[in-house]
Amino acid sequence: GQQVMQIPQYQHVQEGEDFTTYCNSSTTLSNIQWYKQRPGGHPVFLIQLVKSGEVKKQKRLTFQFGEAKKNSSLHITATQTTDVGTYFCVGGSQGNLIFGKGTKLSVKP
Amino acid sequence: DSGVTQTPKHLITATGQRVTLRCSPRSGDLSVYWYQQSLDQGLQFLIQYYNGEERAKGNILERFSAQQFPDLHSELNLSSLELGDSALYFCASSVGWGTGVYGYTFGSGTRLTVV
Repeated sequence: GQQVMQIPQYQHVQEGEDFTTYCNSSTTLSNIQWYKQRPGGHPVFLIQLVKSGEVKKQKRLTFQFGEAKKNSSLHITATQTTDVGTYFCVGGSQGNLIFGKGTKLSVKP
Repeated sequence: DSGVTQTPKHLITATGQRVTLRCSPRSGDLSVYWYQQSLDQGLQFLIQYYNGEERAKGNILERFSAQQFPDLHSELNLSSLELGDSALYFCASSVGWGTGVYGYTFGSGTRLTVV
């Protein structure tokens, strides 16, 4: 079946370092969404990418959608302690969302 | 407050029992989705309803069932509960039945503990 693989599973960084999480799908996606779940919280929608090769920025966060629409990445520049949480990429296919297992980010002050 | 209301927030019950989780979607949203999140696991899609009708089914066990009512609130029924059913159950809503530009809005979840 359709799968969305996300790496790494865990990432520990020093505050101020950059962070990147990668997402790969076994099938071509109609779109990709990214969510953030703070510890003890619920997933919160960050952004959606639809076009092949699309790049979007939100302050220190940069999101990319691959040319083949099968992979994506989220890059955070100069991490802060407020960035702590699990980042999920979510592949959209045939009207449904397929969640990756997420990358758990911890930031050491 | 995301606008999606889930009750109860916590539920502790014994094996073999049956429970009902409730979700009220954000105002104006017609689709409701149920997800299960086990410890350190991703979100497993269970089922989706759109305007009262079942639209998609994921890895939902036969012991589980759901429905969406005319007022658009939804209930997830879990029966013959097993220890492995202990998890966080999220409800999410969206305007349409596709993925939509604004993604899904999640509720705060119901933490189910089966003892």
